[in-house]
Order: sequence, then structure tokens, then C-alpha cells
Amino acid sequence: GIQVEQSPPDLILQEGANSTLRCNFSDSVNNLQWFHQNPWGQLINLFYIPSGTKQNGRLSATTVATERYSLLYISSSQTTDSGVYFCAVGRTMEYGNKLVFGAGTILRVKS
Amino acid sequence: DVKVTQSSRYLVKRTGEKVFLECVQDMDHENMFWYRQDPGLGLRLIYFSYDVKMKEKGDIPEGYSVSREKKERFSLILESASTNQTSMYLCASRKTSGRAYEQYFGPGTRLTVT
Repeated sequence: GIQVEQSPPDLILQEGANSTLRCNFSDSVNNLQWFHQNPWGQLINLFYIPSGTKQNGRLSATTVATERYSLLYISSSQTTDSGVYFCAVGRTMEYGNKLVFGAGTILRVKS
Repeated sequence: DVKVTQSSRYLVKRTGEKVFLECVQDMDHENMFWYRQDPGLGLRLIYFSYDVKMKEKGDIPEGYSVSREKKERFSLILESASTNQTSMYLCASRKTSGRAYEQYFGPGTRLTVT
């Protein structure tokens, strides 16, 4: 099946710093999402981005589908950005409607 | 806004009990999913449902069953709870019509089996 690798596995930032999280995947996909899991366990949708670039406030994401990777950029980080960031991918026909999740990146932002 | 709700945030059960976890979505989504999340193992798919009365096993279905009698509700059943089923359980839903759509998660249920 499809493999999803996220890097780095964990990251510690000072408040105000910028960061880039990476997601590599082993096969072509037509579904890619980034999630943030908050300290209470809720998975919050950040981006639905099977290709192209999107921005939402201090966060932006880029997926280069032909090269099988996606990047999540966090600018001017805040302590509330702490948590686990997951990338998940899928391909409707071959993999049904299932998403395959990466192991996540644990982000800690210090004040 | 899409809303996915789960019946309990925290649940404590005894070994051997039958446990029901309920999930409800309000956006007429066809697909619904149950995952469990454990430290070091990430999110693993237990079961999913394409539509009412349809279900399919995920990666770790052993010890679980599911029920989807109505489109908005997807139940996960632990027939005889065991301590190794202590975990965070996450429900999700998604619209589908042959193309990929965004998936939404509920708040999760932390189940402890003693």
C-alpha cells in the first residue's frame, strides 16, 4: 500500500519562528489533507490540498503531486500552534475512500 | 460547518463489558470511519462504511464490530472489552461521489478498560 513519511518527527521552536513540515508519499494521490491535533485530541482540518498552493493566515501549504510531496509552512509561530501535525493521503479508485496517515510531526512552541 | 459528534469524551469500562461508541454527523455524508490512535502507532483504521448498512473492515477490525442503520450514525461495538482496547477512538465522515472529498473528524473518545 501507499507509504507516507513525515519529517521532522518532532520540532521545538521559539515563539515567532518559522517552520516547514514535509510529507512524502510513495504513489500518486488525488486526496491530501493536513490536520492539526490539539492537546485535547481533536483533529482540526488545516488544508485539503491534493495539488497546488493554499494559504490560511499564518499557515500555507504546497503540494507538488508529480514529485509526491507536500509542505506545510507555519510562520510567526505561537504557543497555540503546539500539537501534532498529520499529513494524510488517498487515491479514490485504488485505495477506496481510505486515507493513509503519516506518523505525524510533534511541534512544541516555547514562549 | 460540518459537525461530527461522538457520544462520550471519556469512558471507563470493565473487562468483558459490551461497549458502544456512537458517532453522528450532520452533513449527509456517505462515508464514515472509525480509527483508534495509540502512542507510537499513529491512527489506524478499524472499520469504515460507504453508505447505510454497508461496512468494510479496515486494518485492525479484530475485536470490533460496527453498525450503520441510518446515514448520519455510525456505531462502533466492542463485544467484550479487553484492556488492550484502551485507546483514543476517533470517528470521521466524508462526502463522496466518485471523487475525493475532505474528511472531518469528531472530538474523540478516550476509552479506558480496567
